[in-house]
Amino acid sequence: DTGVSQDPRHKITKRGQNVTFRCDPISEHNRLYWYRQTLGQGPEFLTYFQNEAQLEKSRLLSDRFSAERPKGSFSTLEIQRTEQGDSAMYLCASSLAVGGGDIQYFGAGTRLSVL
Amino acid sequence: AQTVTQSQPEMSVQEAETVTLSCTYDTSENNYYLFWYKQPPSRQMILVIRQEAYKQQNATENRFSVNFQKAAKSFSLKISDSQLGDTAMYFCAFSITNTGNQFYFGTGTSLTVIP
Repeated sequence: DTGVSQDPRHKITKRGQNVTFRCDPISEHNRLYWYRQTLGQGPEFLTYFQNEAQLEKSRLLSDRFSAERPKGSFSTLEIQRTEQGDSAMYLCASSLAVGGGDIQYFGAGTRLSVL
Repeated sequence: AQTVTQSQPEMSVQEAETVTLSCTYDTSENNYYLFWYKQPPSRQMILVIRQEAYKQQNATENRFSVNFQKAAKSFSLKISDSQLGDTAMYFCAFSITNTGNQFYFGTGTSLTVIP
């Protein structure tokens, strides 16, 4: 078990470009979460999946943000037409659903810089 | 609305001493769990301790313990015998059982252990 893996670790892009981040959860975990963390703030929930179903996406920041988990394994987070305000750390976490109080295991994050 | 407040942006403690980090939260839900996570510099967040809100007994994990006051919605973390490796950002968070268990985080407390 290698933990939650995120790729890339760093991404620099120009405003208006599209970016995609990947998250590989711990293999037996059925829940996967995406968070955004800006400087000086705690992580902010974006969306989550149980297996391949996206059960909550109302907290995605705008319609430019989308996420997928096509086979219930890895997940991708895409930001279209990036803006400077999208610069942040994007964190992925996974957990094994146990009926409540799941312990979430976090990846190291992808740091996005929009120029 | 679900909120978490960490009123101490920065704290320091001498090695081997004891320090307490404060956290208050607000929710109208009854079934939830509380967490403290540690984020060392440039590294991923890891779980420090977890508390079930329905349990009156305070959770302990080696040198880490909590003081959970449900009526006051307070959840402080005590670190005993502080070690240099405890230097990190500490985040208080809670999750609600019936809403997918996404975390609501505070803004964090940066703890520095001084040799």
